[in-house]
Formats: sequence, C-alpha cells, structure tokens
Amino acid sequence: GAVVSQHPSWVICKSGTSVKIECRSLDFQATTMFWYRQFPKQSLMLMATSNEGSKATYEQGVEKDKFLINHASLTLSTLTVTSAHPEDSSFYICSASHAGRANQPQHFGDGTRLSIL
Amino acid sequence: AQRVTQPEKLLSVFKGAPVELKCNYSYSGSPELFWYVQYSRQRLQLLLRHISRESIKGFTADLNKGETSFHLKKPFAQEEDSAMYYCALSRSYNTDKLIFGTGTRLQVFP
Repeated sequence: GAVVSQHPSWVICKSGTSVKIECRSLDFQATTMFWYRQFPKQSLMLMATSNEGSKATYEQGVEKDKFLINHASLTLSTLTVTSAHPEDSSFYICSASHAGRANQPQHFGDGTRLSIL
Repeated sequence: AQRVTQPEKLLSVFKGAPVELKCNYSYSGSPELFWYVQYSRQRLQLLLRHISRESIKGFTADLNKGETSFHLKKPFAQEEDSAMYYCALSRSYNTDKLIFGTGTRLQVFP
C-alpha cells in the first residue's frame, strides 16, 4: 500500500510551453503533498507544501506564479510549470503523507524528468 | 535554520566491510530524523526513522543529540546495499516538510 504515482514520468517540450505534472496517492488519502526539485547529482530541494483545499506554501526563492500548485482533492495535487524555459529543466518529485494517520512517513513518487528545449 | 549535512558524496567499501554513512544536523528544537534510500532506477523510499529504533536490512542509526548526528551504520555491507542514501530532518513526523542532506552514494564492491 501507500503508492504515490506521478505522471508523466518524462516530458520534453519547447521553451515557453506550460507543463502540468500530476501527483496521485493511489490507495490512501493525503491532506498534504510536497513538491521537490532535484538537479543532477544534487539533493532534493523542497519547492512547496500543498494542502488539500488551501493555497500552497512556497519555499523562499520559489516563484509561485511560475510554479502553480493545485491540490483540489485528497488524492491529487498538480504542479504546473508556466512558460517553461531551459533553466526549469530538472527532476520534479512529489511526496504525500496520510491524512489522519499518525507515525506514517512521506511516500514518494517516481519523479518527472522535465526537459525544456 | 534547519540544515542536514552529509560530508561524504561517495563511500566505497568491499562486501562484508562495515559501513558508516555520516549525517549531522542543525536544528534548535527536537527534530525527527530519517534515512531515505534510492536504489538505481527506483523511487526514494524510507529506510528507517529514529523514533522507531529499528534495524532495517541490517542498518541502524542512533540519534545523538549531543553531537547532533544521526549516522547510518551496518556491520557487514552487501552488494545490494549499493544505492544513494539521504539523511533528512523534519520538525514533526509526517505533517511537515523534509530537509534533505546532499546524499551519499554507497558503492559495495564484491
């Protein structure tokens, strides 16, 4: 159990395009989902915390108008990279934690590799 | 500010040798500490957390508040232990963000 699915796993698009990445908790409800970004050979950097039904909380230095997050249900959060440019190319990973269950760790998706040409 | 430091980018050992992956943290409160592992072409997954005081796949980690460390240890490394290991800190168990260290790649040679 506790599977988190991300889609797509890999996307290549032209500069200026907006790209949407989905993060779904398949067999549990998640009040909180987290979005991370990972550059090659570097660690995961938290971008934002997404709470169901409310606005996301962005980390310092992350442009909220650039990285739009929507968490409309307990099983789905989306990250939209608006007007993507080559510098946005990265590996994006989401994680989710159970709603109302204590002592459960975050579960991670497989990640989405975004390449902007 | 919270910070997690993993001083070694790469740790190479032979099969059967002891392993210690270092992790130090800075946080003024009482943190929750975790070790996550990422095997080749797989997703990040939890290896162990300090509150469980458990041994997973032969790995253990003890939280030393005096030294602000949470080193990961295994007495006899196996080839299948080769992976990327991340130490992470959270202010609460599952409701707060994780602060990750830069990771240590463990290579276990036959």
